[in-house]
Amino acid sequence: EDQVTQSPEALRLQEGESSSLNCSYTVSGLRGLFWYRQDPGKGPEFLFTLYSAGEEKEKERLKATLTKKESFLHITAPKPEDSATYLCAVQPGGATNKLIFGTGTLLAVQP
Amino acid sequence: NAGVTQTPKFQVLKTGQSMTLQCAQDMNHEYMSWYRQDPGMGLRLIHYSVGAGITDQGEVPNGYNVSRSTTEDFPLRLLSAAPSQTSVYFCASTIGLGTEAFFGQGTRLTVV
Repeated sequence: EDQVTQSPEALRLQEGESSSLNCSYTVSGLRGLFWYRQDPGKGPEFLFTLYSAGEEKEKERLKATLTKKESFLHITAPKPEDSATYLCAVQPGGATNKLIFGTGTLLAVQP
Repeated sequence: NAGVTQTPKFQVLKTGQSMTLQCAQDMNHEYMSWYRQDPGMGLRLIHYSVGAGITDQGEVPNGYNVSRSTTEDFPLRLLSAAPSQTSVYFCASTIGLGTEAFFGQGTRLTVV
């Protein structure tokens, strides 16, 4: 069964305190792994797509990495505006565009 | 460029009522989907479409109907609302397989 598990459920950081969020997955034929950011009352906003083990992508203070079993979202020197829920999703192989989501990590960055 | 637009943003229904959640995208995307988001459960796929005239069921389709008569629109119909359908509903579109999904702002539905 295709499954995505994110940890921790919640994370509280001080401004400037770097950390990592984890997304472990089991999927039949990974087509892509996606990271999204979701602010309260809003829809998920796309951050990164990773396609194969060893791939890395960066955007400002965020860096996403991928192995065959998990992905990490590294947050370097976070700022309060990075506070949000971060969602991980996988797309299995096949002819559909369905995404399987984890339950997310709620990140709070305190000044 | 509006992206994915959902209406309404909020809705309260009585048990047994029916309604349609609207979703429109202006990016000419072939693939569209409906998800529901519940606390502690993540987003779950309700129905999806790979093009105009083609729809299929996702993980939690019971109680919902969809149709896709145009590329732009993908409405979600609740046939007879139940309290278990209280949730936040998101519509998403993608240009192709393996590409990022663009989400609407969501519809918060409460069934009393």
